[in-house]
Amino acid sequence: GAVVSQHPSWVICKSGTSVKIECRSLDFQATTMFWYRQFPKQSLMLMATSNEGSKATYEQGVEKDKFLINHASLTLSTLTVTSAHPEDSSFYICSATRPGVGDTQYFGPGTRLTVL
Amino acid sequence: RKEVEQDPGPFNVPEGATVAFNCTYSNSASQSFFWYRQDCRKEPKLLMSVYSSGNEDGRFTAQLNRASQYISLLIRDSKLSDSATYLCVVNIRGRALTFGSGTRLQVQP
Repeated sequence: GAVVSQHPSWVICKSGTSVKIECRSLDFQATTMFWYRQFPKQSLMLMATSNEGSKATYEQGVEKDKFLINHASLTLSTLTVTSAHPEDSSFYICSATRPGVGDTQYFGPGTRLTVL
Repeated sequence: RKEVEQDPGPFNVPEGATVAFNCTYSNSASQSFFWYRQDCRKEPKLLMSVYSSGNEDGRFTAQLNRASQYISLLIRDSKLSDSATYLCVVNIRGRALTFGSGTRLQVQP
């Protein structure tokens, strides 16, 4: 069964609004979660590393003030796309490393964001 | 140069064919290697890990050559359900995964 969930699975919003995406590890504690973005026909690109209890680490070119990440508990990380614009429309996927299972990362089902 | 390079394909093969995908990675510090499968508009799912000794899982065989920084995936007796994008993935412990752009496979009846 799924070990990482995401909510919502899809969202359509107007330009200028903010959208929050939740990522949960279902039966394990994840001190680190990762947020990726995938544009059509492109590979997954890491946006940021979400660390429980501390600030997220953003990849070069990702605006930390636009993509707010909060990892408030060991099972939940949230990504908020602030003042979304059409170019932010993408597939956002989180992942978490399950302790005791080597380096295998488990992915959430993804959130498809469409900004009109 | 991309960290992980793959031929984007598409590879169009008939059912029952054998198909091989290759991948190269640039970071010699990479420690773990995987093949993931991604269906259209879905999240990637782990297909198999890749070890230097080579490993097999049913119709799928993966191989790693650390000296050449090269990874391969062989699919035998292709099924229609194998149609997907196959992502070559490398990892340095503690860091996020680095994905190749994927190789698209289309198995035709």
